[in-house]
Amino acid sequence: EDQVTQSPEALRLQEGESSSLNCSYTVSGLRGLFWYRQDPGKGPEFLFTLYSAGEEKEKERLKATLTKKESFLHITAPKPEDSATYLCAVQAADSWGKLQFGAGTQVVVTP
Amino acid sequence: GAGVSQSPSNKVTEKGKDVELRCDPISGHTALYWYRQSLGQGLEFLIYFQGNSAPDKSGLPSDRFSAERTGGSVSTLTIQRTQQEDSAVYLCASSLRGGQNTGELFFGEGSRLTVL
Repeated sequence: EDQVTQSPEALRLQEGESSSLNCSYTVSGLRGLFWYRQDPGKGPEFLFTLYSAGEEKEKERLKATLTKKESFLHITAPKPEDSATYLCAVQAADSWGKLQFGAGTQVVVTP
Repeated sequence: GAGVSQSPSNKVTEKGKDVELRCDPISGHTALYWYRQSLGQGLEFLIYFQGNSAPDKSGLPSDRFSAERTGGSVSTLTIQRTQQEDSAVYLCASSLRGGQNTGELFFGEGSRLTVL
């Protein structure tokens, strides 16, 4: 069964304090790994798609990387506006549209 | 509209009543998805539509749940004889393409269902 595990569950950072979020996955053939950001009371907002081991994507202070077993979301010099829940999801090779989501990491960045 | 629109945004109902949740996807998006998010939990897949067909409805929890999509656009999720465990935020998403190359999903803000 496909499984996505995110750690830590929650992360509290000082502004400017860089850190990484982990997403471990087991899937019968990976078609794609996705990172989303979710603010309270809102739907998730797409950040990145990674397709193969070794791939990296960057957007502002965020950088996502992928290995064969896990993905990392690095937050460099975070600002309070980076506070959100970050969700990881995978699409299996035999999936016709279904994404399997992890439970998320809640990040709070304090000034 | 510019984004995915869901209604109602909030629904409070009594146990045993039926509810309908509506989703209006981004114009031109062929794929539409329903997910459920319970308090403090990740998103749980319910059903995926490609056009008006549902190639994957494996996530519907029971036969009390059904969904349809008409005209390749609006979708309705119906929950019959609601139970307290159905309380959650129901999220709809659409994407330009679906199938084995899902790509970026655009989510609505969700319909919060509370069953008393």
